[in-house]
Amino acid sequence: EPEVTQTPSHQVTQMGQEVILRCVPISNHLYFYWYRQILGQKVEFLVSFYNNEISEKSEIFDDQFSVERPDGSNFTLKIRSTKLEDSAMYFCASSSGTGDEKLFFGSGTQLSVL
Amino acid sequence: GENVEQHPSTLSVQEGDSAVIKCTYSDSASNYFPWYKQELGKGPQLIIDIRSNVGEKKDQRIAVTLNKTAKHFSLHITETQPEDSAVYFCSREGGSYIPTFGRGTSLIVHP
Repeated sequence: EPEVTQTPSHQVTQMGQEVILRCVPISNHLYFYWYRQILGQKVEFLVSFYNNEISEKSEIFDDQFSVERPDGSNFTLKIRSTKLEDSAMYFCASSSGTGDEKLFFGSGTQLSVL
Repeated sequence: GENVEQHPSTLSVQEGDSAVIKCTYSDSASNYFPWYKQELGKGPQLIIDIRSNVGEKKDQRIAVTLNKTAKHFSLHITETQPEDSAVYFCSREGGSYIPTFGRGTSLIVHP
């Protein structure tokens, strides 16, 4: 069964450093998403991406965040200058965009900012 | 922004009992209501969903009901098994708001 894959599974970084989280969505999907989940809390929407541009973003997704689809398979989330409060599990998701909104999530990247 | 209230936060049942988790929303334009199961160390996995033109949907031991008038929807799990133990999230989409999740319900099924 096709699945969304994320790398790395764990990322440890120093405050102020840049990190790039990588995702490979399901190959024929058209919509891509990033969510985050702070330990013990709910899943929060960050951004959605369609047709090579951001379609929606939340208040969390400020100027420190950016997304990119550099080629036909990868979808990345960059945090330019990490803060302690960026520590969370980051989930990538994709959906087919053919009138079916079902989201397929990856296993996540646990980001720890020290 | 749109808020989704989910209750209870923790639910403990004996194997074989039923479990019910409830969510409420406020945006009347919401039209898609998925439920996700999240096991430890994994991403949320869709287990069942319902659209606004349907009042109930069932898939083996799980069912979802939707009351559009009251703006609430519920997940029902019958004959619970230990492997049902996980965190369950409701979500809603559609309308003018971004997809939003409830705070999650930690379901514990005791053998």
